[in-house]
Amino acid sequence: KQEVTQIPAALSVPEGENLVLNCSFTDSAIYNLQWFRQDPGKGLTSLLLIQSSQREQTSGRLNASLDKSSGRSTLYIAASQPGDSATYLCAVLLEETSGSRLTFGEGTQLTVNP
Amino acid sequence: KAGVTQTPRYLIKTRGQQVTLSCSPISGHRSVSWYQQTPGQGLQFLFEYFSETQRNKGNFPGRFSGRQFSNSRSEMNVSTLELGDSALYLCASSPRTSGGPSSYEQYFGPGTRLTVT
Repeated sequence: KQEVTQIPAALSVPEGENLVLNCSFTDSAIYNLQWFRQDPGKGLTSLLLIQSSQREQTSGRLNASLDKSSGRSTLYIAASQPGDSATYLCAVLLEETSGSRLTFGEGTQLTVNP
Repeated sequence: KAGVTQTPRYLIKTRGQQVTLSCSPISGHRSVSWYQQTPGQGLQFLFEYFSETQRNKGNFPGRFSGRQFSNSRSEMNVSTLELGDSALYLCASSPRTSGGPSSYEQYFGPGTRLTVT
């Protein structure tokens, strides 16, 4: 059974700091990995999608890497801003014999202090 | 292009009642999945539908059911509500084009907040 773990569970940093969020998964037979952002009480906003054949993806101040063989992904946020405060979730897409599903980590709650 | 929409956004029900939640995927998307989010269990997979067929089902009791219509809109139903069913129910759509293996991005709606009293 696929398990996804995110470290740390919570992180508080001053504005302007660069930071790294970690995600690990137990089964490397994934199709892709997505990083999401969730604001309190809201839905999920997709930040980056990394296909299983890719090593990294970049969007603005965000960079995500994937090492499928070791079961790890990192999300790097450069020059953090108070507006980046949210919960960040990673999820891996599995294709099972009966269909597909996303398996999520518990999330990292990020607070960026002005 | 409009995003995934879910109705209603908020719902309060009493134990023992039933509820139906609706999801309209992004135009052109034929795959819809449902997830339950609770503080204790996090995000858990409920169902996946593609072209009106349920392709996958998570580990939830039979009180949870769903369906997809020919226009790709989907509904999920929870019967005999329990306090533990209180959660944020999220719907996601993807542009997969067949029932076979794929690696498409999932796009989530804003969710329906269900409170069971």
